[in-house]
Amino acid sequence: SQQGEEDPQALSIQEGENATMNCSYKTSINNLQWYRQNSGRGLVHLILIRSNEREKHSGRLRVTLDTSKKSSSLLITASRAADTASYFCATSSNFGNEKLTFGTGTRLTIIP
Amino acid sequence: ETGVTQTPRHLVMGMTNKKSLKCEQHLGHNAMYWYKQSAKKPLELMFVYSLEERVENNSVPSRFSPECPNSSHLFLHLHTLQPEDSALYLCASSSGQGDTEAFFGQGTRLTVV
Repeated sequence: SQQGEEDPQALSIQEGENATMNCSYKTSINNLQWYRQNSGRGLVHLILIRSNEREKHSGRLRVTLDTSKKSSSLLITASRAADTASYFCATSSNFGNEKLTFGTGTRLTIIP
Repeated sequence: ETGVTQTPRHLVMGMTNKKSLKCEQHLGHNAMYWYKQSAKKPLELMFVYSLEERVENNSVPSRFSPECPNSSHLFLHLHTLQPEDSALYLCASSSGQGDTEAFFGQGTRLTVV
């Protein structure tokens, strides 16, 4: 069953602007991860935030996690045309192996 | 390059054909996964193998048959598929332990005609 749900489904912004994507989930998690997918390709891991963390940074990426609201956000600052891709959140409820459950994704388009 | 290799990249098959998708990783991971990605739907987890033992089978039709002969290789055998099975099939691997990421292959674009 679907765990994560991204919002918005699609987002178009001008190059240089910041892009914010949100993810909501339903059950308790061990960690939440964000992935990126270029069209028709495999997913690439961006960042992982544990359930006891509230914020994490990696380069131009900033992720927040609010376990009380069961939500997360991914902020990409100073967007570039190369950031155009689909972004997925995935939750892990670790029961001996990493079973990741993905949402439907946000399609981000950066307009040069 | 993520260290997970899938072949073939593209596959067109008839409904009566039998074909296999292959996935290979040399990352020393213990867990391997098959996902199905259809248009406008979330990634669907199909199968999970941990230490070569199947630990998850999410009500996948029997026309999909996984095989994990060792911790580095994972296959998905296909037979008598339907047109609605056309999708991007993604293989992934992970260490199988907590708080680690999954590494995905580039996927096999399958078209059933």
